[in-house]
Amino acid sequence: DTGVSQDPRHKITKRGQNVTFRCDPISEHNRLYWYRQTLGQGPEFLTYFQNEAQLEKSRLLSDRFSAERPKGSFSTLEIQRTEQGDSAMYLCASSPSGAGVDTQYFGPGTRLTVL
Amino acid sequence: KNEVEQSPQNLTAQEGEFITINCSYSVGISALHWLQQHPGGGIVSLFMLSSGKKKHGRLIATINIQEKHSSLHITASHPRDSAVYICAARFMDSNYQLIWGAGTKLIIKP
Repeated sequence: DTGVSQDPRHKITKRGQNVTFRCDPISEHNRLYWYRQTLGQGPEFLTYFQNEAQLEKSRLLSDRFSAERPKGSFSTLEIQRTEQGDSAMYLCASSPSGAGVDTQYFGPGTRLTVL
Repeated sequence: KNEVEQSPQNLTAQEGEFITINCSYSVGISALHWLQQHPGGGIVSLFMLSSGKKKHGRLIATINIQEKHSSLHITASHPRDSAVYICAARFMDSNYQLIWGAGTKLIIKP
């Protein structure tokens, strides 16, 4: 596998339920990012990991959202007590470590629909 | 405030035309990305640049640091180029966060 993978690709849930998404970055990529994209808008940054450490977290990430990367490889994004406004495409990206600027490689995304 | 603006929002052109999409940003950046997003959501990174010009096939990206402006050009456009093109900037006051433009929806008609 040479790309970033995300699972599931689609999720339909009822309001109030909890959902969890998984992201598997490109092997050996230390950096992992989560974004959220709603229809017609550019992606919004949610959070960033370097290895297992969550180094930055957007104010968009309310208390209902939590992300983990326990072993510095795959990451999970959990949304508790989902609301209709959570309906969006959730994108994961990874990039290699190293000084200076980097290129982020994106996964196919998980499309969440909250009914 | 860190902001990224793109223009135009929508662009329709005939096959073969030269396409230009513009991106401007508010303050100093450490890098600017151009990405392509196809219907269905897949995002592909096209270019990452911090100065000068980069070329890949029919795509050319330029950046003018002094003017805080970048352009993406497509030569000899083709219907398969139809997609949303997004610029995203990493600002110097944030190591990790990309601020995204709203995107330019490009349609190339045969």
